[in-house]
Amino acid sequence: ETGVTQSPTHLIKTRGQQVTLRCSSQSGHNTVSWYQQALGQGPQFIFQYYREEENGRGNFPPRFSGLQFPNYSSELNVNALELDDSALYLCASSLDYGYTFGSGTRLTVV
Amino acid sequence: GDSVTQMEGPVTLSEEAFLTINCTYTATGYPSLFWYVQYPGEGLQLLLKATKADDKGSNKGFEATYRKETTSFHLEKGSVQVSDSAVYFCALREGGATNKLIFGTGTLLAVQP
Repeated sequence: ETGVTQSPTHLIKTRGQQVTLRCSSQSGHNTVSWYQQALGQGPQFIFQYYREEENGRGNFPPRFSGLQFPNYSSELNVNALELDDSALYLCASSLDYGYTFGSGTRLTVV
Repeated sequence: GDSVTQMEGPVTLSEEAFLTINCTYTATGYPSLFWYVQYPGEGLQLLLKATKADDKGSNKGFEATYRKETTSFHLEKGSVQVSDSAVYFCALREGGATNKLIFGTGTLLAVQP
């Protein structure tokens, strides 16, 4: 059974650019959530997808968007990057409320 | 809204010392409670959980008891090892459609030989 895989592991972008982060869910998990973890802080919920539909969103602006594909993998897209978007982005897949986290993508905006 | 408060770190201990990391929560209803651990450069790993009042979660020598009367879920370990050095996050699972996790700010534990 594979775990949750995120790519890329590290990324550097310039302010104003757009970025796409990817997540492969654990086998059989139909729900994926994305979290933002700023340096020295706990993870903050961005949004969640269940069977390709967004079914919950945290306090993040619309320039944070996502997709879930039929194989339950997912993407997080961030437009018009700001310096404060620099963080570790964590993906978590789940089935029946048990969460498995990936190792994250470290995004640096300069 | 729901929230989690945990003691600030860093917590620095000698090997074989007793560990307590305090965690309290505010929530409507009775959420499930979790402790996650994050090793340097890695994602989050579930350490233990408790789903109802008076439940005790345990794993790898760590324990935490769900105390409804004090809204607490303190993490304890009787004898820490250098390999326990990591950041520990207390979290609750909020009810509703998403069952999203709400995390505390994390506590860095440094264990010295």
